[in-house]
Amino acid sequence: QSALTQPASVSGSPGQSITISCTGTTSDVGGYDYVSWYQQYPGSVPKLMIYDVDNRPSGVSHRFSASKSGNTASLTISGLQADDEADYFCCSYTSSGTCVFGTGTKVTVL
Amino acid sequence: EVQLVQSGAEVRKPGESLKISCQGSGYTFDNYWIAWVRQTPGRGLEWMGTIYPGDSDARFSTPFQGQVIMSADMSITTAFLQWSSLKASDSAMYFCARRSKVAVAGAYDFWGQGTLVTVSS
Repeated sequence: QSALTQPASVSGSPGQSITISCTGTTSDVGGYDYVSWYQQYPGSVPKLMIYDVDNRPSGVSHRFSASKSGNTASLTISGLQADDEADYFCCSYTSSGTCVFGTGTKVTVL
Repeated sequence: EVQLVQSGAEVRKPGESLKISCQGSGYTFDNYWIAWVRQTPGRGLEWMGTIYPGDSDARFSTPFQGQVIMSADMSITTAFLQWSSLKASDSAMYFCARRSKVAVAGAYDFWGQGTLVTVSS
């Protein structure tokens, strides 16, 4: 199972919106509405931000939204803030009954 | 409060065995899948596999099948990840994570703090 493809880095200025893509195949992202997104600060533990493509867990800011089209899922951060600077990973359920993570995207707030 | 507490950092030589642990508390341990996730600077996060403590049903990602053993002991609400013969390439941070029941599949809502494994001669 190959890792899902994410851009290595995305940047934006405070207040702007950015979008991170996560591209897989029909055996994972395209085949199931079970994509999750995680935020990870350096040296810290991943935090669940989105589940089942576009659902936010309780306590996650409404500035985080997500969607999916075909084999590509996307995470959008609106009203970018300094503490959004972190690594972001997508994860998809697969046809093998396993999960596969994305390659990860470093978000930089300019 | 839900918590997953992992065992401490380990240093081993190539060829040695190792078993790391992940103790859950604050929830019904045997009712939730536990996944193990490897993280390295070069390869990011990798989903290794998952185990259901209630019946020890386990699933593995292909690269890890046959390379590691997953187990769980409900009596001490602990999941384990073990190697019989470590390689230098097993050096990584290992996280355990609980699969969310709010999500339909594949989302992990609570994570252990990580166990750093270093394999070096």
